This record gives sequence, structure tokens and C-alpha cells, in this order.
Amino acid sequence: QVQLVESGGGVVQPGRSLRLSCAASGFIFRNSGMHWVRQAPGKGLEWVAMIWHDASNEDYADSVKGRFTVSRDYSKNMVFLQMNRLGAEDTAVYYCAKQTTGHSLDAWGQGTMVSVSS
Amino acid sequence: QSALTQPPSASGSPGQSVTISCTGTSGDVGDFNEVSWYQHHPGKAPKLMIYQVNKRPSGVPDRFSGSKSGNTASLAVSGLQAEDEADYYCSSYRGNNKWVFGTGTKVSVL
Repeated sequence: QVQLVESGGGVVQPGRSLRLSCAASGFIFRNSGMHWVRQAPGKGLEWVAMIWHDASNEDYADSVKGRFTVSRDYSKNMVFLQMNRLGAEDTAVYYCAKQTTGHSLDAWGQGTMVSVSS
Repeated sequence: QSALTQPPSASGSPGQSVTISCTGTSGDVGDFNEVSWYQHHPGKAPKLMIYQVNKRPSGVPDRFSGSKSGNTASLAVSGLQAEDEADYYCSSYRGNNKWVFGTGTKVSVL
């Protein structure tokens, strides 16, 4: 079955960087676009970033553009989110999700918590 | 990138029905038949319940149905069950490789 497992979260000081990882299994990784979605404490889901199935394109929410970078490694079936210049507003649970052949997200991980605090 | 607008809460007794609205703009819900609905139990992974406005993934009960009119999409849940109590989020593709989620609706089963 499809499985997505995020890791790399933790407590980080404002202005520092963190790299999240997502290990994917149970589907043909190279055929699926991959997304990151976050949920700040007490708030709703927010789309963060996506990378195409062939890594030829990627895009970001305005709130993270220029600070976050999404990438993928086909040899390890993994997706990454490099987060730079973190601020308190980036505190959230970060979910990795798999895109369908359409524009929905049909599998999600359990999430990894990122806390930005001094 | 404003979020789609959902009511904060909805409720019903077991066996009853609830309908949740999701209002966007002509740049997202109105322009694309790519509205999805997700069920989220706190602490768990969100689950896709409806895609492309009104399609159900395998395994989702037919008590869940979706529709769209203009810039507003809706999720209806009939025959409410205790396990339906959760947060529900709509989402729409808005072109140019961007997506947007709704503000979320907490469904309570009384």
C-alpha cells in the first residue's frame, strides 16, 4: 500500500534552516507529482509547494517563495523540502502528499512538526 | 492567495445530513472542475473523500457526495455516523501549478 513518511522536523531558531524529508513507497514514484502542505497550530491546511513527477517544474505558495525549495531523489524515492530563513509563521505540522493523475492529493503522510522559536 | 471560504462548523444528529459549502472565485473553483474534499481527524493524515467535484475514491462511502455551482462547491454527508466527526477541507487547483485550500469546517455529530 502507499506509504509516505515524513522526518526532519524539530525546534529551530528564527532565521535558521531546516530540511524535511519524505520517504515514499507502494507506488511508482516517478509517475507522481508530490506536494507539501502545512497546518499551523489551531489553523487550517495551507498548500506550500509541489514538484512535478519528472522534476521539470516546481512551484510555491507566495508565503514561502524564495525561502523554500522542493526537490526529489528518484534513487531513494524521497522528496525534500529545504526551508531557509524560517520565521515564527512557519511553525506548523508539515505533510507530504502524493498527487493523482488529476489535481487531487490521494495519499498523505502523518506529518512532521516544525517549531520556530528562540 | 486567499483561502477558499468554508463555514467554521456544521452539525447533525446520527442519521441526519449536513452540507458544507466552499466558496472561491472565478480563478479557482469557478474555472476548474478540480475541487477536492479532505477529511481530517486531528493527529492523523488527511484523507481524500471527493475529487474532480463529485467523484469518490474507492472505499469512500456513497454517503459522501460533491457538487459545484459557479464559484461555490459543496460536500454533502448523508446518514451521519459518529466516525464522520472530523474537520473537512475543500481544495481547488487554481492554475499555474498552484493549489488553494479552504478554511476548514468542523463537523460534529450530536
